[in-house]
Amino acid sequence: QSALTQPPSASGSPGQSVTISCTGTSSDVGGYNYVSWYQQHPGKAPKVMIFEVSKRPSGVPDRFSGSKSGNTASLTVSGLQAEDEADYFCSSYAGSNMRVFGTGTKVTVL
Amino acid sequence: QVQLVESGGGVVPPGTSLRLSCAASGFTFSNYAVHWVRQAPGKGLEWVAVISYDGSNKYYADAAKGRFTISRDNFRNTFSLQMNSLRAEDTAVYYCARDGGWYYFDSWGQGTLVTVSS
Repeated sequence: QSALTQPPSASGSPGQSVTISCTGTSSDVGGYNYVSWYQQHPGKAPKVMIFEVSKRPSGVPDRFSGSKSGNTASLTVSGLQAEDEADYFCSSYAGSNMRVFGTGTKVTVL
Repeated sequence: QVQLVESGGGVVPPGTSLRLSCAASGFTFSNYAVHWVRQAPGKGLEWVAVISYDGSNKYYADAAKGRFTISRDNFRNTFSLQMNSLRAEDTAVYYCARDGGWYYFDSWGQGTLVTVSS
């Protein structure tokens, strides 16, 4: 299984929006509506922000939203705040009970 | 609240074995599948293995097949990763994680560092 492709970095000023892409294939992202997104601050464990493409767990601000088109999923963070600066990873179900992660994107709040 | 606590990491020479454990609390452990996920220093997340709620099904990433074995004990609320024939490229922080039920990881431990080095 190859890792899903994410841009290495993204940035925005406070209050602005940033969108991160996650590109896979028809065997993972494109084949299932089971894309999830994780936020990871330095030295900390990942935290789920989005699951099943666009669902937010309880407690996650509605500034975080997810979508998918074809083999590419996206995470949008609206109204950027300083605490949103972190690494973000996508993940997808890849069939046969396998999972695959994205390469990760470092989001910087300017 | 849900809590997952890893243990067993350390520094080991190449070719040796190590067993990681994850202690679960705050939820009905026997109702959930659980995973191991690793992260090499400065790198991204890599899924390693999953075991079903009752231990009857186990699945591995290609990098783990034949060398790693995932297991669980629903009486002790723990699960483990037995790692054999360790290589330098297995050096990583290993996280245990709970399956949220729809192919995502809804809770994570804080991780345990495994360093494979002579």
